Amino acid sequence: GENVEQHPSTLSVQEGDSAVIKCTYSDSASNYFPWYKQELGKRPQLIIDIRSNVGEKKDQRIAVTLNKTAKHFSLHITETQPEDSAVYFCAAKGYGQNFVFGPGTRLSVLP
Amino acid sequence: EAQVTQNPRYLITVTGKKLTVTCSQNMNHEYMSWYRQDPGLGLRQIYYSMNVEVTDKGDVPEGYKVSRKEKRNFPLILESPSPNQTSLYFCASSWTGGETQYFGPGTRLLVL
Repeated sequence: GENVEQHPSTLSVQEGDSAVIKCTYSDSASNYFPWYKQELGKRPQLIIDIRSNVGEKKDQRIAVTLNKTAKHFSLHITETQPEDSAVYFCAAKGYGQNFVFGPGTRLSVLP
Repeated sequence: EAQVTQNPRYLITVTGKKLTVTCSQNMNHEYMSWYRQDPGLGLRQIYYSMNVEVTDKGDVPEGYKVSRKEKRNFPLILESPSPNQTSLYFCASSWTGGETQYFGPGTRLLVL
C-alpha cells in the first residue's frame, strides 16, 4: 500500500523567512495530495491541495509543487508569520480512495 | 452552519466495554472517514465510506467496526476496546474522496 514520508519533523524559521516541507510517496497511482494545518488542540484544516495532473499551485503565501517522476511534493510558505506556527501534514490519496498521511512537521516561526 | 460533529468529545472507559463514537455531517457529503491520531504517527485512516452501505478498510482497521446506514451518519464502534486504542479520533467528510475533507472536533478516548 501507499507510504508517505515527511521531512523535516521539526522546523524553526525566523519571521519573514520561507519554510519548505517535503513529502515523498510510494504509490504511483496516487492522484490527490492535500496539505493540512493543525493548530494546538484543534482539528486539521486544509490549506492547499494539488492533483496529479498539475505541477504547481499557489494561494497567496502558500504554494505546493508536485514531481510525479520523483514521487515527491513540497509545501512552500513565504513571508512566514507567527500565526503560521502549527503542525503541518501532507497526505496522498491512493487509487482505492484511501488517504495516507505523513507523520507531520512542527513549524515554529520565531519573532 | 455546515459542520461535522462527533460525540462524545472525551471518553474514559475500561478494557472490553463496548463503545460507539458518533459522527454526523450536515453537508450531504458522500465520503466519510475515521482517523486516529497518535504522537509521531500523524493521522492514520481506520475506515472510510464512499456512500451509504459502502465501506472499506483504511490502514488500521483492526479492532474497529463502522456502518453507514444513512448518508449523514458514520459511527465508529469498538466492540472490545483495549488500551492500545487510547488515542485522539477524528471523523471527516467530503463531497467525494478527492475533495477537501472537513474534520470533526475530535474525540479523545482513554481505555484503562
